[in-house]
Parts: sequence; structure tokens; C-alpha cells
Amino acid sequence: QKEVEQNSGPLSVPEGAIASLNCTYSDRGSQSFFWYRQYSGKSPELIMSIYSNGDKEDGRFTAQLNKASQYVSLLIRDSQPSDSATYLCAVNLSGGSYIPTFGRGTSLIVHP
Amino acid sequence: DVKVTQSSRYLVKRTGEKVFLECVQDMDHENMFWYRQDPGLGLRLIYFSYDVKMKEKGDIPEGYSVSREKKERFSLILESASTNQTSMYLCASRRVLGEKLFFGSGTQLSVL
Repeated sequence: QKEVEQNSGPLSVPEGAIASLNCTYSDRGSQSFFWYRQYSGKSPELIMSIYSNGDKEDGRFTAQLNKASQYVSLLIRDSQPSDSATYLCAVNLSGGSYIPTFGRGTSLIVHP
Repeated sequence: DVKVTQSSRYLVKRTGEKVFLECVQDMDHENMFWYRQDPGLGLRLIYFSYDVKMKEKGDIPEGYSVSREKKERFSLILESASTNQTSMYLCASRRVLGEKLFFGSGTQLSVL
């Protein structure tokens, strides 16, 4: 079973701080990595995608990928209460169909 | 914007009933997916389809079947609903292999 692991949290950070979310995966051949945000009662929406080693920045969000260590992370700078949500790490598995496999999600709470 | 529409937001069915969940996408996406989401278990793949009339089993296909007769529509069928199929069901689509997912708003199914 190819797995994607996340700490379920909750991760609690004060407003304005940096939130760091981590994800590890077991399929060494994976090539596509995604972070989705899911508010309570809503469906997931894409925050970031990353395909190559290193950092990718988009506004307050930075995705980091290290294929050798098989981890991907999401940093949220200047965290806001509106960032409080569950963050899902997804990995497209190797093997032809690139099936998206999700971690169980990390709950983030940003308190004022 | 891509729109993925699920036919019902809430559904209540009785044990043993045959249940149809419908999903329609409007952007000519090749791949479509059905996930279920349960607290503490994350998103688990039931079935996916990479093209019309093509389907592959996911991690938890038992008790479910699918149909994709037209590119835009992907149906999930519970042949004989059971209480352990009470869950949030999420449909998703993507343009091609390797790309991000677009999710529908979900169907909360309760089987009594």
C-alpha cells in the first residue's frame, strides 16, 4: 500500500506566525504533489502544486519538495484566522494512472 | 472556471436500497474520481475513470460500482446500501493525468 502521511494536529499558531505543515510519502516514483485546503463542511480546493525539488512560492504560501527524503511541506506566512482549516497533502502515485492519494489531513487553527 | 456538480448535497436512504450518486463536469476532463471522506480516515478512493467506459478500482471498491457512459458524467452506484456506507462522497475531475483535481461540493449520504 503506497501511503501519504500527515500529522493530524491540530496545529495551533498565533495570528501573524508561520505555520509549517509536513507530509511524507512512500512511493519514490511519485512526480506530482499538491496541497489542498478544506474548510469545515466544504470540499477541498487547491492551494499549491509542486513538481520539482526545491521551493515554490505563491503569495503567503510556499511549498517545499525534497524527493530524496520523500517529503513535501507547506509554509503559510503571516497566518490569518481565515487560514484555519484542514490541509490535505496529495501525491499522484507512479504506475501509469497517476492516482491521487491523500494524507488524512492536518487541522490548522490560527488564533487571534 | 471548472464546475463539478453533484446531484444531491444531502441524501437519506434505507438499508438495502439501490443508491445512485451523480457527478457532472463541464470542462471536458478526461479523468473522474469518486472518493469517500470519513472523520479520521481522510479521503479514500472508491473508483476512478480515465476515459469514457473505462474504470479502475480504487482502495475501497467493495459494495460500489460505477458508470461512465458519457465523458461529462460519472455515476457511483451503491447496489445495496448498508449503514457502513454512511459517509461524505466527493466527486472530482482533472483534465489529464498528473494534474490537479477539481472537486464537487460533496454528497452527505446517511443510510438508516
